[in-house]
Amino acid sequence: GEEVAQTPKHLVRGEGQKAKLYCAPIKGHSYVFWYQQVLKNEFKFLISFQNENVFDETGMPKERFSAKCLPNSPCSLEIQATKLEDSAVYFCASSSLGNEQFFGPGTRLTVL
Amino acid sequence: DQQVKQNSPSLSVQEGRISILNCDYTNSMFDYFLWYKKYPAEGPTFLISISSIKDKNEDGRFTVFLNKSAKHLSLHIVPSQPGDSAVYFCAARETSGSRLTFGEGTQLTVNP
Repeated sequence: GEEVAQTPKHLVRGEGQKAKLYCAPIKGHSYVFWYQQVLKNEFKFLISFQNENVFDETGMPKERFSAKCLPNSPCSLEIQATKLEDSAVYFCASSSLGNEQFFGPGTRLTVL
Repeated sequence: DQQVKQNSPSLSVQEGRISILNCDYTNSMFDYFLWYKKYPAEGPTFLISISSIKDKNEDGRFTVFLNKSAKHLSLHIVPSQPGDSAVYFCAARETSGSRLTFGEGTQLTVNP
């Protein structure tokens, strides 16, 4: 597609439950990025992919977070055993040449 | 360690006048800079970018200036329109495909 699509728009989980977020990058884009926005104006990088390969995962809290980008499937970000502090808006972005990144609308995760 | 800083949390201008948003950075490895606009409950929208080999890039009403020696960039919007009212983020990256580091954002309000 011409836009980055993210599903679901909202996700509510009880503490300790699993959460799975999906991202369909712009067709033809080879880079995918995940960012977490906890405070209103603060973006934290999580992980990036070049095609289906992890490019940079230095931002990921590895104990509970995992992500994949498999061919012909939406990319996914999974949080096992969610904690209250995981409540945030999660943005996915894609890029064709690694310069401009185009963002999706985000998934708002609320952990109760 | 805040590598990208936007020191003005807010800016208010009259319709038709110039809006100037500023951004400073500390990491000399940054080689590409971007400006995004964000409305509430939406993802950031890419506006304009500049490579470190240039000092100016223009696209319609938007112009970005880069002063490498001062590690400073600015976004000029002329003429400003009420629809430009949003939060503006400055972002930077080190190499092609790498993560973006964001500033804290500046809330621009354009008054009719």
